[in-house]
Amino acid sequence: EIVLTQSPATLSLSPGERATLSCRASQSVSTYLVWYQQKPGQAPRLLIYDASNRATGIPARFSGSGSGTDFTLTISSLEPEDFAVYFCQQRSNWPRTFGQGTKVEIK
Amino acid sequence: QVQLVESGGGVVQPGGSLRLSCAASGFTFSSYGMHWVRQVPGKGLEWVAFIRYDGSSKFYADSVKGRFTISRDNSKNTLYLQMNSLRAEDTAVFYCAKDLLGKIDYWGQGTLVTVSS
Repeated sequence: EIVLTQSPATLSLSPGERATLSCRASQSVSTYLVWYQQKPGQAPRLLIYDASNRATGIPARFSGSGSGTDFTLTISSLEPEDFAVYFCQQRSNWPRTFGQGTKVEIK
Repeated sequence: QVQLVESGGGVVQPGGSLRLSCAASGFTFSSYGMHWVRQVPGKGLEWVAFIRYDGSSKFYADSVKGRFTISRDNSKNTLYLQMNSLRAEDTAVFYCAKDLLGKIDYWGQGTLVTVSS
């Protein structure tokens, strides 16, 4: 199965700062990489699909990039509601797999 | 609006069985593949199983293969997960989720399964 490794585990930043989250795959997933956001007590929410496409209703401050094995989720300027946990997921192969998550916390 | 409502969670002894249900509404259920994803509270997400829109293909995580069975009843707009031979490590919140071309675009609120003696 494809292992996704996210880094860092925790990112401590202030509102207005730029957040850069990484997701690395154990083998190529082409651009079949998805990002989700999860807030405490809530189900995950789709943010980015196919590496760089924002889902419906997702603000432009969220962007994704990468292909093959290395992917990045960037939040250009953190808003208070962006402090959450972010997961990547590959949809290239079965079984589907998720990264272990990156928590973006308020510094 | 899309709604996915899970039910059937609870406390079960190791080795026991449980069947989860997910009632779907707000979209044409019979046209979309569906997933089950689980999450130990405070931990990461683990994909569990997927079933195609017509039930013709099913895929499972290695950790549940041979013990869990995903199924659906398109006439009832309902997704199921039959879980047998449950273990302590199966304790988690189980989410029902709608597939859209390989990505999950909607999630339910989850149902908690606790495996404990």
